[in-house]
Amino acid sequence: QTVVTQEPSFSVSPGGTVTLTCGLSSGSVSISYYPSWYQQTPGQAPRTLIYSTNTRSSGVPDRFSGSILGNKAALTITGAQADDESHYYCVLYMGSGISVFGGGTKLTVL
Amino acid sequence: EVQLLESGGGLVQPGGSLRLSCVASGFTFSSHAMRWVRQAPGKGLEWVSAINPSGGGTYYTDSVKGRFSISRDNSKNTLYLQMNSLRAEDTAIYYCAKVYQYGMDVWGQGTTVTVSS
Repeated sequence: QTVVTQEPSFSVSPGGTVTLTCGLSSGSVSISYYPSWYQQTPGQAPRTLIYSTNTRSSGVPDRFSGSILGNKAALTITGAQADDESHYYCVLYMGSGISVFGGGTKLTVL
Repeated sequence: EVQLLESGGGLVQPGGSLRLSCVASGFTFSSHAMRWVRQAPGKGLEWVSAINPSGGGTYYTDSVKGRFSISRDNSKNTLYLQMNSLRAEDTAIYYCAKVYQYGMDVWGQGTTVTVSS
């Protein structure tokens, strides 16, 4: 069973930069997994930030960027703002129609 | 405006059935794969099922295989999720999502399924 790993929690200061990662329990993440990233605040539907590793979804500010760092996918937030405080989820496409979510990272801005 | 609107959730007893619907608007529904994603109370997001644009390919997470069935009616711009033999652990908000470049670029607002006696 493939497990997609994310940091359970992270904190960043207002105006700071934070990088969240998305890995595999076994193996490396590459662009072939088409990593995507989603933001969710309590009581709301998810919002798409990044798809296909580094393509920003419509309307997403360029403070959010996606990449591959080493053997993981990464979401970098620069100039963190108070309303960036949310849960962030990555998804990896495993092929054959199957996708797997990471467990999510709770980001605190303080 | 691109929009997805789910319906069909509710309270059902263990072992019961529900059919969720997701009506799409603002894009060419028949050109896109679609997914169902759920979120149990206080938990993270979980991919449940996917279907290719024609409906000829369907995919499921292991925990729902044999119990859930995804389908679509491209003439009605509607996605479905037939859920049978429901269990308490299926209790969740169910979201439909449009697939784009292997990710999901549009989400519905969700419909709540509660499995309880």
